[in-house]
Amino acid sequence: DAGVIQSPRHEVTEMGQEVTLRCKPISGHNSLFWYRQTMMRGLELLIYFNNNVPIDDSGMPEDRFSAKMPNASFSTLKIQPSEPRDSAVYFCASSPRQGNTEAFFGQGTRLTVV
Amino acid sequence: GESVGLHLPTLSVQEGDNSIINCAYSNSASDYFIWYKQESGKGPQFIIDIRSNMDKRQGQRVTVLLNKTVKHLSLQIAATQPGDSAVYFCAENSRRDMRFGAGTRLTVKP
Repeated sequence: DAGVIQSPRHEVTEMGQEVTLRCKPISGHNSLFWYRQTMMRGLELLIYFNNNVPIDDSGMPEDRFSAKMPNASFSTLKIQPSEPRDSAVYFCASSPRQGNTEAFFGQGTRLTVV
Repeated sequence: GESVGLHLPTLSVQEGDNSIINCAYSNSASDYFIWYKQESGKGPQFIIDIRSNMDKRQGQRVTVLLNKTVKHLSLQIAATQPGDSAVYFCAENSRRDMRFGAGTRLTVKP
C-alpha cells in the first residue's frame, strides 16, 4: 500500500484566496483525521471522520475551514478565505477503525499564505 | 479541556546512551496511548503503543512505561543512535479521537 497520500506537498497562496488540501487514506481504513501543526500550537486535531461521517469538528478553528469526505477514498480540507495565520503544515491520517488503534500519517501539506 | 502534555521540550544525549522521554496526560478515562516519532519534513510515524491494562511494553530498542496512578507515560530508547534524532510525541487515543502532546526534540550527539 502506498500509505496516506496528500496533495499538494507545498502550497503558497495569497491572502483571501481559497485553498483546498486533498487526502487519500489507506484503503480499508474507516477513520480519517485532519491535523494542523505549527510551532506555537503543536499538532492540533481539526476534524475526524468515521465511515465518511464527520464525528467531531470541534477543532476546526473558524467557519472559514470546512472538510468533506464524499467517499471512503478521498477527503478535502478547504480554507476560504485564507489568512496568513493559516500558514502551517496540515496532516491527514487514517486508521483501520475508530479508537484504540494507531493512525497512519501522510507526508503533510505545507501551506504558506502571504 | 483535558490534554496530553510533555515534561521536557528538548533532550540531548550521547550516542550509545539510553534516552528517556516523558509525557503526562490528564484524561483518566484514556485507555490507549501511542508514541510517535517525527523526522524533519515527514509525518509522525508509529513507534509503540500501550493499553491501559498494561504498565510496560517492549519493542525493538524501545520500551514504554505507563503509570496510571500519576497519569504518566515514558518512552525509553536503548543505545540511542543518530537516526533516533527527531521529535517524539505521545498521543492519547480514546474511542473517539487521538490527541497529541507538545512533543520533545531528541538530539543525539556523536
